[in-house]
Amino acid sequence: NAGVTQTPKFRILKIGQSMTLQCTQDMNHNYMYWYRQDPGMGLKLIYYSVGAGITDKGEVPNGYNVSRSTTEDFPLRLELAAPSQTSVYFCASSPIASGGPDTQYFGPGTRLTVL
Amino acid sequence: AQKITQTQPGMFVQEKEAVTLDCTYDTSDPSYGLFWYKQPSSGEMIFLIYQGSYDQQNATEGRYSLNFQKARKSANLVISASQLGDSAMYFCAMREGAGGGADGLTFGKGTHLIIQP
Repeated sequence: NAGVTQTPKFRILKIGQSMTLQCTQDMNHNYMYWYRQDPGMGLKLIYYSVGAGITDKGEVPNGYNVSRSTTEDFPLRLELAAPSQTSVYFCASSPIASGGPDTQYFGPGTRLTVL
Repeated sequence: AQKITQTQPGMFVQEKEAVTLDCTYDTSDPSYGLFWYKQPSSGEMIFLIYQGSYDQQNATEGRYSLNFQKARKSANLVISASQLGDSAMYFCAMREGAGGGADGLTFGKGTHLIIQP
């Protein structure tokens, strides 16, 4: 099991460029999430998905888009990169809780710099 | 109001001592879950321990235990016999509602723990 994988690990973008951050999980989890972590801060939820074809906004969705065409993949799209989007991006997944903890498992993160 | 408050930005502790990292939370939902994650300097998020709002006993996982005081809305992490490898950022997080985790977690700002030899 690879768990949650993210690509790329690092990326530098110019203002106005666009890119897609990839996230894949092989644990057959229904729930997937995107978070961002700004320097010295905790994580903030960008978007989440409860299953293929279903996505919803989190706390900080502006400037981002997501899609969920399969259970495994949950890409995050930045359309017009801005310096305020410089951050570390984490993808996570969790199973549907069935009496136990609905623990979220995190990918290794993507460090994005927008100049 | 902040939903998760971690009041200790940084802590220095001697190796082998016990450590308590503070976390208070704010929610009006009777069903919620509390989590602690460790983030070493390499950056990954490592799940440590979970406490459900209806759990009668404090959660324990090896050297980690969660001191859950529901009336005070606190969920402090206790690390017994600290080791050099415990040096990291520690985040408290909460999931609200009985939705089985669908809505994501709210994180605190973290505590930077440094274990000194």
